[in-house]
Amino acid sequence: SQQGEEDPQALSIQEGENATMNCSYKTSINNLQWYRQNSGRGLVHLILIRSNEREKHSGRLRVTLDTSKKSSSLLITASRAADTASYFCATDDSGGSNYKLTFGKGTLLTVNP
Amino acid sequence: GAVVSQHPSRVICKSGTSVKIECRSLDFQATTMFWYRQFPKKSLMLMATSNEGSKATYEQGVEKDKFLINHASLTLSTLTVTSAHPEDSSFYICSASISGRVDTQYFGPGTRLTVL
Repeated sequence: SQQGEEDPQALSIQEGENATMNCSYKTSINNLQWYRQNSGRGLVHLILIRSNEREKHSGRLRVTLDTSKKSSSLLITASRAADTASYFCATDDSGGSNYKLTFGKGTLLTVNP
Repeated sequence: GAVVSQHPSRVICKSGTSVKIECRSLDFQATTMFWYRQFPKKSLMLMATSNEGSKATYEQGVEKDKFLINHASLTLSTLTVTSAHPEDSSFYICSASISGRVDTQYFGPGTRLTVL
């Protein structure tokens, strides 16, 4: 079963607006990562946040992690049309082998110019 | 750095044929490689984990005789879909890890398989 569940499943915004995507998971984790996927392409790693971290920034990206609620959010500020893609969270299950990622269902972000 | 390639990028084959997909780490040695499958507008499902020189570990529900994985060198893993059927049509993505830790996993661009 899917570990991560992103919401919303689809998000459409105007260029310049901020986009927030959420991810919930069920088991304890070592870390949580966010990936981006353009249609029909591979995954691009965006950011990794460890279980003992609460917030992390990278450029226009801001990720938060709340282990008590088993949830994470990805904020993209000042969005651009080029940010249009699917965004996935992936968890490293600390109860497992530490070698596997479990992906959520993804959020399809559309940024309209 | 840390580039992973896949070949072919897309393949169309007839039902009953076998298809081999290659995953290469171009600028690093990958002790562990992962194979994922992705259906349209769906998430990635891990199929198997392969370590160089040993047998792959398959996820529950994945037929190991159907999806043959070979990781013969530190830079190459192959996935062979044997006797492919239309239901095997999917997007297959590999990733490679230097040390086996997920925080060093690098993804290939994917292979689109269409079985007629």
